[in-house]
Amino acid sequence: NAGVMQNPRHLVRRRGQEARLRCSPVKGHSHVYWYRQLPEEGLKFMVYLQKENIIDESGMPKERFSAEFPKEGPSILRIQQVVRGDSAAYFCASTTGANEKLFFGSGTQLSVL
Amino acid sequence: RKEVEQDPGPFNVPEGATVAFNCTYSNSASQSFFWYRQDCRKEPKLLMSVYSSGNEDGRFTAQLNRASQYISLLIRDSKLSDSATYLCVATTSGTYKYIFGTGTRLKVLA
Repeated sequence: NAGVMQNPRHLVRRRGQEARLRCSPVKGHSHVYWYRQLPEEGLKFMVYLQKENIIDESGMPKERFSAEFPKEGPSILRIQQVVRGDSAAYFCASTTGANEKLFFGSGTQLSVL
Repeated sequence: RKEVEQDPGPFNVPEGATVAFNCTYSNSASQSFFWYRQDCRKEPKLLMSVYSSGNEDGRFTAQLNRASQYISLLIRDSKLSDSATYLCVATTSGTYKYIFGTGTRLKVLA
């Protein structure tokens, strides 16, 4: 019974390149959240998606960042033209519905050179 | 004021000690509560849900006080492996938001 799967675990990009982070939720979960975490800091909400819909993207910068959760396939967090300040751990989490237990993937550590 | 507040610690305790953390929430409409554990550079893992009547799971006990708007986590007989950051989470009825505290760091010392 696979949990939330994120890949890659580590991603190195040069400034100006694109970063694509993938998240496959727990089977049967239709709610996906993306969080960002800097060292020694808390989890910062970025975006909440249900299948084919972005419900809340208020935590995501309007420029360069986008997210999707298509009908088929994983959720994707895309960061265009990365800058050094984008270096962080990005965690995806999924759940069956509001107020239910949230399960996290192991995260993608993005490093921008 | 933050919606969910925790003492960042660190709490340094000897093995075998009992330690308790509190977490306060500001939204009286908060409905569901959870404790997560996060080890350095790893993903948060669900430790336990918090129920109105209080609940226990082995050495861990969680309590909810709606009148004073806080939840607590008690760890008995601390082990070295309990060293981690403990995150408090609240959700609000009718919304999808999970509000995380910034975490309380626990160090259990040999």
